[in-house]
Amino acid sequence: EAQVTQNPRYLITVTGKKLTVTCSQNMNHEYMSWYRQDPGLGLRQIYYSMNVEVTDKGDVPEGYKVSRKEKRNFPLILESPSPNQTSLYFCASSPPAGGLHEQYFGPGTRLTVT
Amino acid sequence: AQRVTQPEKLLSVFKGAPVELKCNYSYSGSPELFWYVQYSRQRLQLLLRHISRESIKGFTADLNKGETSFHLKKPFAQEEDSAMYYCALSAEVGSYIPTFGRGTSLIVHP
Repeated sequence: EAQVTQNPRYLITVTGKKLTVTCSQNMNHEYMSWYRQDPGLGLRQIYYSMNVEVTDKGDVPEGYKVSRKEKRNFPLILESPSPNQTSLYFCASSPPAGGLHEQYFGPGTRLTVT
Repeated sequence: AQRVTQPEKLLSVFKGAPVELKCNYSYSGSPELFWYVQYSRQRLQLLLRHISRESIKGFTADLNKGETSFHLKKPFAQEEDSAMYYCALSAEVGSYIPTFGRGTSLIVHP
């Protein structure tokens, strides 16, 4: 089954404790991205990747890092999480020229930073 | 800069009533526009895109370049249409940062 998976689905952590949220897709998509979803603010893009070893900032990259060492994986790293990063995070992927194609979303990761 | 505005945070209707979820955009070129839907506890999924000119689950959306709008419409709402709806815009080829609106929560009462 073609899908985008994320782990963990739920995470509660404390300020400053490094964490990684994994994202994997099995559709051989070149484009992958991370979003955060907050009430009243909709979806905001954090980082995106056009292909292996090619990443770039989205609208709200501060406090996040990403890497794209393999085509199928695009982990989101929070080196020193803070409470304002409490949010619902979605990973997405799409074929080449990601902007013009349908994006396939993961199930979401709900992160709480205390 | 491209921008998507969904003026209504919440839209509440009764079953069988017509529904229109508004989406306005600002972009100087020729955009690609999408509607995504997120049902309760599910992931976002594409509902429709303007270039396809199709009707999905009874929903349609027409791109009006003069009014820079891409409103989503359905003549008779169903309870299962209750969900969060996001309008999204992508610029012409080469743009990799799609812009999403803030979303409209549609509630259809029985």
